[in-house]
Amino acid sequence: RKEVEQDPGPFNVPEGATVAFNCTYSNSASQSFFWYRQDCRKEPKLLMSVYSSGNEDGRFTAQLNRASQYISLLIRDSKLSDSATYLCVLAPGNTPLVFGKGTRLSVIA
Amino acid sequence: ETGVTQSPTHLIKTRGQQVTLRCSSQSGHNTVSWYQQALGQGPQFIFQYYREEENGRGNFPPRFSGLQFPNYSSELNVNALELDDSALYLCASSRAPSRDYGYTFGSGTRLTVV
Repeated sequence: RKEVEQDPGPFNVPEGATVAFNCTYSNSASQSFFWYRQDCRKEPKLLMSVYSSGNEDGRFTAQLNRASQYISLLIRDSKLSDSATYLCVLAPGNTPLVFGKGTRLSVIA
Repeated sequence: ETGVTQSPTHLIKTRGQQVTLRCSSQSGHNTVSWYQQALGQGPQFIFQYYREEENGRGNFPPRFSGLQFPNYSSELNVNALELDDSALYLCASSRAPSRDYGYTFGSGTRLTVV
């Protein structure tokens, strides 16, 4: 089983839609979780950290379920500018970041 | 505060050749991590350098090697290039090896091996 698995995508949604991405991880020792955004042919950029209590940043909500080893990202009221690849990332202990394969989102006018 | 800069931005090499990629870390950062991102894949960890020493390595063969200099800049060297080495190579710097410190990524070097 891969260390981080994400929805394969691509997700093609109309502007204004709500879209959710899921991610599962296999290493129960993982302590920190993140969502990164990567635009086409650009570097990954931190979108938000993910906490057990859940966290929200404007239209973006991230959730972590440690029991099920599951992370989610919800985007409400999608904008054209949200089109990108979303990478699920975890940090198993004091080791560098482990990235998922990414899920591509296309928001269509 | 300057960010992470990588050079060159693009590179074409022939199979069997050697390549050196460079990374200047963000001011105040002493740790550099290198990642390889093949098309359609997530970044894969190659290795990390902290205070000029290798501080962890991913599942890459010994022909992938690196250096970190006293100013915390870093190099990634790849010998005997193979076609599958074609990828985006990303460098990320941080204030320390711990995950608790944010990683800042450079814009990458796109390597094509023909």
